[in-house]
Amino acid sequence: GENVEQHPSTLSVQEGDSAVIKCTYSDSASNYFPWYKQELGKGPQLIIDIRSNVGEKKDQRIAVTLNKTAKHFSLHITETQPEDSAVYFCAAYRSRRALTFGSGTRLQVQP
Amino acid sequence: NAGVTQTPKFRILKIGQSMTLQCAQDMNHNYMYWYRQDPGMGLKLIYYSVGAGITDKGEVPNGYNVSRSTTEDFPLRLELAAPSQTSVYFCASSYAGTSGATGSYEQYFGPGTRLTVT
Repeated sequence: GENVEQHPSTLSVQEGDSAVIKCTYSDSASNYFPWYKQELGKGPQLIIDIRSNVGEKKDQRIAVTLNKTAKHFSLHITETQPEDSAVYFCAAYRSRRALTFGSGTRLQVQP
Repeated sequence: NAGVTQTPKFRILKIGQSMTLQCAQDMNHNYMYWYRQDPGMGLKLIYYSVGAGITDKGEVPNGYNVSRSTTEDFPLRLELAAPSQTSVYFCASSYAGTSGATGSYEQYFGPGTRLTVT
């Protein structure tokens, strides 16, 4: 089955700095890669996603890049703000199967 | 729309007891999922369903059962609760199709049920 590895497990940055979280996946048939943000006591919420036919996608301060050859994808957050502090999960998806999640990254943005 | 709703929010069970975690969605999604999240860990898939009457095992199905008699509801049954089932349980739903080559398989998550087995 699919295996998704996520690094780092914790990340502390100063407000205004950039944050990068990296994931690798094992199943070359996976074709959809979402990123979820989970705030304390809440369910995960999608923040950005990318399909396997796209190399990069941006949405304001958030971007995701995908390298299909190397089977890795990354989340980039620029100009971080205290409200970006949360746990972030990457995931990989195959058609008709459910998401396989990474183990999560706890991001702390220091004001 | 209420989205994905889960009940109860919290529950404490004694070892050997049984209970059903309720999940409902009002978005007419045909895919529904149950995940568990242990402290400091990612989400692991327990069971999922691609439509009413169809269910399939995920990564960690032992000790759980599901049914899907309607599109809206996807209850998770715990039989003979064990301390290893102490976790936060999330239900999610998604639309099976995508809008073109860049479509999303977005899963919408409920608020979770925190279960403690002692």
